[in-house]
Amino acid sequence: ETGVTQTPRHLVMGMTNKKSLKCEQHLGHNAMYWYKQSAKKPLELMFVYNFKEQTENNSVPSRFSPECPNSSHLFLHLHTLQPEDSALYLCASSRDREVYNEQFFGPGTRLTVL
Amino acid sequence: AQSVTQLDSQVPVFEEAPVELRCNYSSSVSVYLFWYVQYPNQGLQLLLKYLSGSTLVKGINGFEAEFNKSQTSFHLRKPSVHISDTAEYFCAVSGNQFYFGTGTSLTVIP
Repeated sequence: ETGVTQTPRHLVMGMTNKKSLKCEQHLGHNAMYWYKQSAKKPLELMFVYNFKEQTENNSVPSRFSPECPNSSHLFLHLHTLQPEDSALYLCASSRDREVYNEQFFGPGTRLTVL
Repeated sequence: AQSVTQLDSQVPVFEEAPVELRCNYSSSVSVYLFWYVQYPNQGLQLLLKYLSGSTLVKGINGFEAEFNKSQTSFHLRKPSVHISDTAEYFCAVSGNQFYFGTGTSLTVIP
């Protein structure tokens, strides 16, 4: 399998549930990202990991908790979410954090919070 | 800080007609510029990028873009569109991190 994969592709959860999103990249990259994509808004960068270390957290609420056990896997743990958290969550990877490197995206997880 | 503006949120165009999707950016540092395409139910895919050198950049699927430093623009063009080009297009600028525009929805009409 190649590229960036994300599971699940769709997720519906209540505000009291706990769930996790998974991302896996098969590109040998060292940097991984979580983005939130909401309708008619720019992609919002949430977290950045470089060589398994978190390098950026863009003021994301604590109900979102990332985990990067190795350079190929990235998780986003979700708990006590709000309806406004409903969005498409995209994972991406790049060779490293150099700004000229393109990012490769997964297909996303469509999250609906009831 | 950097920012990206995509002036057109929706662009309808007839099949085989030319199209231009506009992108303007602001930055206090040197930047790298990218165009991504997102087909329904998929992630973003790189169309082309400008890092340095020739200001006219050619990408996949017959798209090209021209970097204009004086006008701080990086407009995307295709001389003849196909139905399969219907998608969301995102311009991005990378200075100290990636910034994406709000996207332009291109609809190709048969």
